[in-house]
Amino acid sequence: GQQLNQSPQSMFIQEGEDVSMNCTSSSIFNTWLWYKQDPGEGPVLLIALYKAGELTSNGRLTAQFGITRKDSFLNISASIPSDVGIYFCAGPSGGGADGLTFGKGTHLIIQP
Amino acid sequence: SAVISQKPSRDICQRGTSLTIQCQVDSQVTMMFWYRQQPGQSLTLIATANQGSEATYESGFVIDKFPISRPNLTFSTLTVSNMSPEDSSIYLCSVDLADSEKLFFGSGTQLSVL
Repeated sequence: GQQLNQSPQSMFIQEGEDVSMNCTSSSIFNTWLWYKQDPGEGPVLLIALYKAGELTSNGRLTAQFGITRKDSFLNISASIPSDVGIYFCAGPSGGGADGLTFGKGTHLIIQP
Repeated sequence: SAVISQKPSRDICQRGTSLTIQCQVDSQVTMMFWYRQQPGQSLTLIATANQGSEATYESGFVIDKFPISRPNLTFSTLTVSNMSPEDSSIYLCSVDLADSEKLFFGSGTQLSVL
């Protein structure tokens, strides 16, 4: 199946800093999705990307679908305490299977 | 989006017992999925719950261990059978609205097996 490599695994930043994380795949994706998971909750969809080169924003979040269709990045500008959580990239499982394949996640920690 | 209600939200169970997790959606959906998230790990797809037919299981997951029901387009259950401590995980129900490839998740069931 699809393999997603997400980095970094964790980030320790100061409030107000910008954040960047990325995801690469072993094969071409037609869709990239970014989710955030808070403790005790299910993942919440942040941004969906459907076209190579697409750049989409959702408030302070910006995500891009790589031109090669094998990568995507998520940026968070001017981080605030509620940005703390785990961010996952995801894409269609492929091979005729339904559902999504998820990256291993980036754990964002904001230091006071 | 959709409102996805999952229960129980958490449970502590004894080894060898079974737990059934329920997932209720506030609208009719074609695709429903069950995921497992082991402690500190990412999400792994267990199976696709198909309405009116047997669930489709991913490699490493079998019906005897994780029987699934999908009696209608708004409801599904996942049973974790003959539990062991290795089954301690978060189990998540998700739905794909309008075949959009965007999944929406319930809040999960935190299962601890002693």
